[in-house]
Amino acid sequence: ETGVTQTPRHLVMGMTNKKSLKCEQHLGHNAMYWYKQSAKKPLELMFVYSLEERVENNSVPSRFSPECPNSSHLFLHLHTLQPEDSALYLCASSRGLTQAFFGQGTRLTVV
Amino acid sequence: KQEVTQIPAALSVPEGENLVLNCSFTDSAIYNLQWFRQDPGKGLTSLLLIQSSQREQTSGRLNASLDKSSGRSTLYIAASQPGDSATYLCAVSNNQGGKLIFGQGTELSVKP
Repeated sequence: ETGVTQTPRHLVMGMTNKKSLKCEQHLGHNAMYWYKQSAKKPLELMFVYSLEERVENNSVPSRFSPECPNSSHLFLHLHTLQPEDSALYLCASSRGLTQAFFGQGTRLTVV
Repeated sequence: KQEVTQIPAALSVPEGENLVLNCSFTDSAIYNLQWFRQDPGKGLTSLLLIQSSQREQTSGRLNASLDKSSGRSTLYIAASQPGDSATYLCAVSNNQGGKLIFGQGTELSVKP
């Protein structure tokens, strides 16, 4: 256990569905992140939240919508996804320059 | 733009061997470098973190070194075991602990 919990672990959704991924950290960290891991590609940073404010959006399509209601929770709202969005979505948290801790990920399949 | 490269992409060794995984990065202005382990379909487990002012870190059978000026890091695994089989990822941070740029990883297989 890393102290970062993601739910669900697996998700299958149609292209017209709306779903949300959830991440929770119990480490007292003040920054949270969403990463995407596609097959045969390096992990890509999607969003950065620091002190509950979005500080970075790495050219992610608007069909991905993050939300950080407090420093312990992070959501990724999904709507009208494409099959190429199928990937492992990883949440991470950190405090300042200290090491990042990752959750177990949500395996998303878009059909 | 920072780029991280890991070689080899895959490595297969017999149990008991010592081995070295390599990581290189193009911009030496980093704050820290982390090595992670990832089992198939799972999340990342942090193995070692090296701050930019440090040269190496050790944890058990693992030793990571950092040469910032040349843009290189190595992960040394001593006396490898089948349980070490996984993908090993190297990542650098330029200004925030979790804002990482990753390499593509080295897939390690340790045969009994």
